[in-house]
Amino acid sequence: GAGVSQSPSNKVTEKGKDVELRCDPISGHTALYWYRQSLGQGLEFLIYFQGNSAPDKSGLPSDRFSAERTGGSVSTLTIQRTQQEDSAVYLCASSLLSDLEVFGPGTRLTVL
Amino acid sequence: SQQGEEDPQALSIQEGENATMNCSYKTSINNLQWYRQNSGRGLVHLILIRSNEREKHSGRLRVTLDTSKKSSSLLITASRAADTASYFCALRIVGAGSYQLTFGKGTKLSVIP
Repeated sequence: GAGVSQSPSNKVTEKGKDVELRCDPISGHTALYWYRQSLGQGLEFLIYFQGNSAPDKSGLPSDRFSAERTGGSVSTLTIQRTQQEDSAVYLCASSLLSDLEVFGPGTRLTVL
Repeated sequence: SQQGEEDPQALSIQEGENATMNCSYKTSINNLQWYRQNSGRGLVHLILIRSNEREKHSGRLRVTLDTSKKSSSLLITASRAADTASYFCALRIVGAGSYQLTFGKGTKLSVIP
């Protein structure tokens, strides 16, 4: 596609439920990133995928968070047993060879 | 903290005036980037400046980088109402994990028509 797409654009869930957020990167981009932005804050790095290498998960805040990237393309970020502090905008970005990231529009997650 | 810190946190100006935002940091960087964010959603890349560069221009945007002072500035000239947004500096830090960007908390710019 022409840009990075994310779905859903908005997600409202109840505390304790699991959620899945999807990212479709730009075709051919080898690197994919997930960031989280809490209200009024900058972006916080979560996870990084590069080609077939093992992902860097060092930014994931807890073991309730996981992500996978299938076939080197689409990525899914899963949050299990959501908590209110998980409420944030989750942004995905992709790039070619870890150079210039192109960001998606984000998914706004609200945990009630 | 390794993240950039933008200054001021908020800025309100009249249309046509210039807007200057600053970013300070504490570590060594490969490059520094400025992004714009409208309504708390997707980020738009504005300019990338490398550590060996001192100034870059793009349209009404001018970015400077002073690695000795570990600071950068973003100047928007002849501002327009459409420039109203949050602006973030993002650092590409030298060393392990240098593929990730480290963001500041941003400057919220309001341009009054």
